Amino acid sequence: EVQLVESGGDLVPPGGSLRLSCAVSGLTIRNYAMIWVRQAPGKGLEWVSSISGTGDRSEYVDSVKGRFTISRENSKNTLYLQMGRLRAEDTAIYYCAKSDCESIDCKLIAFWGQGTLVTVSS
Amino acid sequence: DIQMTQSPSTLSASIGDRVTITCRASQSVDKWLAWYQQRPGKAPKLLIQQASILEDGVPSRFSGSGSETVFTLTVSSLQPDDAATYHCQHYNGYPLTFGQGTRLEIK
Repeated sequence: EVQLVESGGDLVPPGGSLRLSCAVSGLTIRNYAMIWVRQAPGKGLEWVSSISGTGDRSEYVDSVKGRFTISRENSKNTLYLQMGRLRAEDTAIYYCAKSDCESIDCKLIAFWGQGTLVTVSS
Repeated sequence: DIQMTQSPSTLSASIGDRVTITCRASQSVDKWLAWYQQRPGKAPKLLIQQASILEDGVPSRFSGSGSETVFTLTVSSLQPDDAATYHCQHYNGYPLTFGQGTRLEIK
């Protein structure tokens, strides 16, 4: 059974930093592009970032460019999102997800984890 | 960026009803359109990819159609388990963008 389990969500003050992790079981993540999507309380879904299976290519939504960094450690079957210079508008549930193939051009969000809550507030 | 607009925002229907949700893209996304179901407090689940391909295990009462800029998700006979929010999303290029969601309520 495939499982994606996010962790690292917390209450953090504006301007602070946080690292989210996504531990994957039931598949080998090097075969898949991986994705972060967020959902602010009571709002819709927003794609945040994607990374290729090898980790050599990544993409970001404009609102997080220069503040967030996506990375992966395939040997540990784990995905990360390093978040910096956090703002109140970054408050959301952050979902880890997998695509259906390895390339950064594999953009289908095929399977989602349960999410971890990030709250940015003083 | 491609804007995705869903209608209606909220839909209330009875068991057995046929319901349709529409998703419009601000420019052509060809067939690269996905639909997700999100039950309250849960993660989204992929229902349909490439506008009309049903994922394994998804009940056949769900169907998708459309291309380029106009897409529809149809539930042929509404069941209690279908109460959820439905999201469309294009994956024709980056940035990936979602519609605002349609909340489907059972009367």
